[in-house]
Amino acid sequence: GESVGLHLPTLSVQEGDNSIINCAYSNSASDYFIWYKQESGKGPQFIIDIRSNMDKRQGQRVTVLLNKTVKHLSLQIAATQPGDSAVYFCADWRGGADGLTFGKGTHLIIQP
Amino acid sequence: DTGVSQDPRHKITKRGQNVTFRCDPISEHNRLYWYRQTLGQGPEFLTYFQNEAQLEKSRLLSDRFSAERPKGSFSTLEIQRTEQGDSAMYLCASSLQGHYNEQFFGPGTRLTVL
Repeated sequence: GESVGLHLPTLSVQEGDNSIINCAYSNSASDYFIWYKQESGKGPQFIIDIRSNMDKRQGQRVTVLLNKTVKHLSLQIAATQPGDSAVYFCADWRGGADGLTFGKGTHLIIQP
Repeated sequence: DTGVSQDPRHKITKRGQNVTFRCDPISEHNRLYWYRQTLGQGPEFLTYFQNEAQLEKSRLLSDRFSAERPKGSFSTLEIQRTEQGDSAMYLCASSLQGHYNEQFFGPGTRLTVL
């Protein structure tokens, strides 16, 4: 069954503000947690991942936080831009002969 | 363009027909994955190859689904006797050896079964 899921189907933020997209997971055996961005009509685009033994990882304008105590991870996008408008998925990978397991996605809407 | 490519981008077929989709992975990637995505949902893992070997196929949705990667490069996904419930986006992804958590997706093939 599904092991990752997102809290909100839609998130609306003002351009220039920071966005925080949340995800809960249930499988403690996941090796990695990954965030993908999917624009309309396109395939998912890899944003950033975090290994399960880490708490935080930063990329360009994005930060992923992993809280293993409450089985929660988040994606923070700094200074949100119109090009950030998309559906964001969290996924996990358990290693070995498995594909990624995706949650349902949060649609990030940027308001001018 | 050195990303994952898929062909066709759109396919409309009548119920009962067979369809075949092609995926060309990033050239140096040895793993290739197939996923299915229905409207409003995240992608669902179907099967994957390491080089030409299909190492996981228990997630294929039924025996009407089959996939091949004969020379370890491109792959095909075939659906026989299509049903309306097969309408979805079929996504292909590839990853580099040792970086299997970083899967790079193609644009997908959108299948509509009438």
